[in-house]
Amino acid sequence: AQKITQTQPGMFVQEKEAVTLDCTYDTSDQSYGLFWYKQPSSGEMIFLIYQGSYDEQNATEGRYSLNFQKARKSANLVISASQLGDSAMYFCAMRGLANAGGTSYGKLTFGQGTILTVHP
Amino acid sequence: DSGVTQTPKHLITATGQRVTLRCSPRSGDLSVYWYQQSLDQGLQFLIQYYNGEERAKGNILERFSAQQFPDLHSELNLSSLELGDSALYFCASSRSAHGYTFGSGTRLTVV
Repeated sequence: AQKITQTQPGMFVQEKEAVTLDCTYDTSDQSYGLFWYKQPSSGEMIFLIYQGSYDEQNATEGRYSLNFQKARKSANLVISASQLGDSAMYFCAMRGLANAGGTSYGKLTFGQGTILTVHP
Repeated sequence: DSGVTQTPKHLITATGQRVTLRCSPRSGDLSVYWYQQSLDQGLQFLIQYYNGEERAKGNILERFSAQQFPDLHSELNLSSLELGDSALYFCASSRSAHGYTFGSGTRLTVV
């Protein structure tokens, strides 16, 4: 079974500052993927960044980077130069890739989320 | 636009009723997933279809059912609705390990 833990129910950051959102995971899968999604108040789930368990480099997408520490089973999201529009709920999620290359990719398991508020 | 289309966006219905939520996956994606997001349960996986066949089941109630049609669109049927079924229902589709795209969701309110 897979489990995602996000220990920060809420985080506050000043505009233009960097913020780290924590995520730890537990899985028995050897191959897996880690995702971060943003959910603004409008409700849609917006993909931010992906890290494969065998990727040697930490993933980066613009202002988003994923601090992947496999031995610690952590996949923290770092948002640099925060903007007011970054205020939202953030979810960490993972999926097993046991059938990677095959025809079936697994479900996502989500954490409980972290509400980020960016102050001007 | 994520490419995954969900209709309707909002639905208000009474207890005991039945509703159907519809999802069209991103072009070329064969896998469709349904999720329920509620305040008390968070985001929960319900069911997965791949190319018309059921592949995995999660925390889906017996009152709920789904199917995927030959054109790959999927429908989630919710029957004998209860107040606790009020939630945001997401559909997602995928074609690769990291390609996992969500629709904008259907917000169901049971009154």
